[in-house]
Amino acid sequence: DAGVTQSPTHLIKTRGQQVTLRCSPISGHKSVSWYQQVLGQGPQFIFQYYEKEERGRGNFPDRFSARQFPNYSSELNVNALLLGDSALYLCASGRVSDFYNEQFFGPGTRLTVL
Amino acid sequence: KQEVTQIPAALSVPEGENLVLNCSFTDSAIYNLQWFRQDPGKGLTSLLLIQSSQREQTSGRLNASLDKSSGRSTLYIAASQPGDSATYLCAVRRETSGSRLTFGEGTQLTVNP
Repeated sequence: DAGVTQSPTHLIKTRGQQVTLRCSPISGHKSVSWYQQVLGQGPQFIFQYYEKEERGRGNFPDRFSARQFPNYSSELNVNALLLGDSALYLCASGRVSDFYNEQFFGPGTRLTVL
Repeated sequence: KQEVTQIPAALSVPEGENLVLNCSFTDSAIYNLQWFRQDPGKGLTSLLLIQSSQREQTSGRLNASLDKSSGRSTLYIAASQPGDSATYLCAVRRETSGSRLTFGEGTQLTVNP
């Protein structure tokens, strides 16, 4: 079975631009979460979506938004990019109905803001 | 607010050595704890998951323990190999947080041949 997939792999934007990142969860997983990982730090939680509804939001500004589609894939949008948004953006999926709800991560999208 | 700390931040050992990575968390109301491995510039690979009711989990040369009451977990790696070189991250899931994980900053491990 395919794991969590993310696109694009790398992205270079300039300050003020907008970006959309995409994630496809493991087949059968209905929960998708987004994390931001700045170089040298642990990932920080941004959003969780389950059954197309937002179920949790981390401490990120309103420039960050996301949505989940009927096929459970998800998009993360970031508007008005800042230099500090440069990071690895990770997507995780899980099976909420499963007792353990182990989280599986994709390879990430490396965003560079110039 | 849950805080997760990992010690040491970096570790360099010769091949074959047994080693222990430490993870501590401030809020003991956790649902489970996951250990991940991350290679440079890559995503996270799940290594072990321990439920709050469990004391330890084992997978091959890896053994993870959990002491929920004291807010600590350890990852034991036996007979380390150069291929074990990576950053190891622990993450906790709070009982009421849905799928949200709170991560430590990781331990960067280098195993020298």
